[in-house]
Amino acid sequence: DTGVSQDPRHKITKRGQNVTFRCDPISEHNRLYWYRQTLGQGPEFLTYFQNEAQLEKSRLLSDRFSAERPKGSFSTLEIQRTEQGDSAMYLCASSLSPDPAGTNTGELFFGEGSRLTVL
Amino acid sequence: RKEVEQDPGPFNVPEGATVAFNCTYSNSASQSFFWYRQDCRKEPKLLMSVYSSGNEDGRFTAQLNRASQYISLLIRDSKLSDSATYLCAVMDSSYKLIFGSGTRLLVRP
Repeated sequence: DTGVSQDPRHKITKRGQNVTFRCDPISEHNRLYWYRQTLGQGPEFLTYFQNEAQLEKSRLLSDRFSAERPKGSFSTLEIQRTEQGDSAMYLCASSLSPDPAGTNTGELFFGEGSRLTVL
Repeated sequence: RKEVEQDPGPFNVPEGATVAFNCTYSNSASQSFFWYRQDCRKEPKLLMSVYSSGNEDGRFTAQLNRASQYISLLIRDSKLSDSATYLCAVMDSSYKLIFGSGTRLLVRP
């Protein structure tokens, strides 16, 4: 399978524990995005990377959240001191940079997500 | 005001019906527009990109109205398998997607 893969698919943790999610993007994609989705809502942007550079972080991303993409390939999203409000689906997506010539509009391809439940 | 707004539905229609969803966006500098489909507890999957000239893919037609800042999706001859949540997504100037909350569609026999 050459799509976006995420691990683990499900994580149940106790409040106060740290959790880490991993995302492996489509291999030729240089952009990698993290989103969070709760029930009845659309995905909310958290952060994105172009290659290894983290270019933007949402205000939703508190200082308990950190994301890395050290070699420009896979990425990790760590949540420290989890809270019940962190319970959500964490979605990773990858894309190619949009092409000004219009041959690529930069659409995102999503992984299956990592579902976090904080007790 | 949310950057991308959609009617949450649900839209409950019989098989064979035609159904239309609208989506409005607030940022006039938005670059590209998409419709994604999301099944229950699954990831969003790209349904179609939306072009200024409008585009059609089988039973699905997408339209963009830049002047009024809205996007539409028309589904003709609805199938049971079309039941899902349809997410409108708008690409901003930094090339990240901003999603609406989604519109639920239920197609009944």
